[in-house]
Amino acid sequence: QSVLTQPPSVSGAPGQRVTISCTGSSSNIGAGCDVHWYQHLPGTAPKLLIYADNNRPSGVPDRFSGSKSGTSASLAITALQAEDEADYYCQSYDSSLSGYVFGTGTKVTVL
Amino acid sequence: EVQLLESGGGLVQPGGSLRLSCAASGFTFSNYVMSWVRHPPGKGLEWVSSTTNSGVSTYYADSVKGRFTISRDNSKNTLYLQMNSLRAEDTALYYCAKHKGSRPSKYYMDVWGEGTTVTVSS
Repeated sequence: QSVLTQPPSVSGAPGQRVTISCTGSSSNIGAGCDVHWYQHLPGTAPKLLIYADNNRPSGVPDRFSGSKSGTSASLAITALQAEDEADYYCQSYDSSLSGYVFGTGTKVTVL
Repeated sequence: EVQLLESGGGLVQPGGSLRLSCAASGFTFSNYVMSWVRHPPGKGLEWVSSTTNSGVSTYYADSVKGRFTISRDNSKNTLYLQMNSLRAEDTALYYCAKHKGSRPSKYYMDVWGEGTTVTVSS
């Protein structure tokens, strides 16, 4: 049972902007724990997309950006491309569980 | 090149045991926290277990506590997951992942393996 909640799916046409929300609580995101985002094609290795709320690893396009406020975080994808079709997960640390938590996952579909 | 390669997955009966391995290369293995994360079919990613760089401290998800044991051999650059009393709900693709960051509230997983499949079925 995930403690970080994401919408099951979002979709957009090529070139459009989509956002994915990640809602947590006072024991994880609200406690100031960093939020990270991963892109995942089932059956392959997840890829780090955003770390520490809003930082991109080298090689990740600047079309991907992250933000955080209160007990929630968001991932934005601008100029949507067909190759962005994948599952996206947020991740943080939960102090009451003393462990890492993933979001429920969001499937992005490019129309 | 930084690389993680999992092995040891397979088909096992309920109540059985399995040991997964993750061979690391391309970085100083003993410097980093490591984790196991699984992806059950049709579900989302789930953190399973983590160990500090020395292996002294270990952490587990409630769903596996008391049944799984994480360990590492820094002389062999290898991470392990001993899985006992396996259940159908443990069926998943198991990934090992390398952490980066300064403390638990900031750790993220910057390198992942391709995974090894565990199927628990009679």
